[in-house]
Amino acid sequence: DADVTQTPRNRITKTGKRIMLECSQTKGHDRMYWYRQDPGLGLRLIYYSFDVKDINKGEISDGYSVSRQAQAKFSLSLESAIPNQTALYFCATSGPGNTIYFGEGSWLTVV
Amino acid sequence: AQSVAQPEDQVNVAEGNPLTVKCTYSVSGNPYLFWYVQYPNRGLQFLLKYITGDNLVKGSYGFEAEFNKSQTSFHLKKPSALVSDSALYFCAVRDIGVNTGFQKLVFGTGTRLLVSP
Repeated sequence: DADVTQTPRNRITKTGKRIMLECSQTKGHDRMYWYRQDPGLGLRLIYYSFDVKDINKGEISDGYSVSRQAQAKFSLSLESAIPNQTALYFCATSGPGNTIYFGEGSWLTVV
Repeated sequence: AQSVAQPEDQVNVAEGNPLTVKCTYSVSGNPYLFWYVQYPNRGLQFLLKYITGDNLVKGSYGFEAEFNKSQTSFHLKKPSALVSDSALYFCAVRDIGVNTGFQKLVFGTGTRLLVSP
């Protein structure tokens, strides 16, 4: 089983709809992240969390919200999806070391 | 702010030939540098990292990277490319928030490697 699991892996939604992407990890890490990948732009950080009580905005947080339900769970929500939020979304975790581990990604298409 | 640049959108190489994927960095302080690979329809997989020590870092799948402080570069290399190495490669640098102390990665824009048979 994957250490960082994202659901759903693929989703098509309509403009204006609320969508939630979920992430769970079995690595026991405190730090969790949500990144967004767009062609030609690399990965950009949306939100990150030290632990369940500490959540911080990244460089592109507008239009997104997150919830850290437990140490192992970190969900990303789009309250009212718009087409330019069509992207590949990655959840990631890191522990005491310097390496960040990524999930397999969630493709989101907003039509 | 810490940043990395990947000057090539795409690198083409024939199978069996050596490959290089370029990355340059801009940091304050000592750089912590990483390479990740993304195979089609897969997530990002960690390849290798440079923290300190030897300038030549060895990683997964036969890849290595050379840290060059004078040129502020961290190029990814492999002596003999395989068709299965075709993927999207990302260079990244660790950034630590001044006020939060929180570690995150700042990524380059990615380089697509195409290895032809």
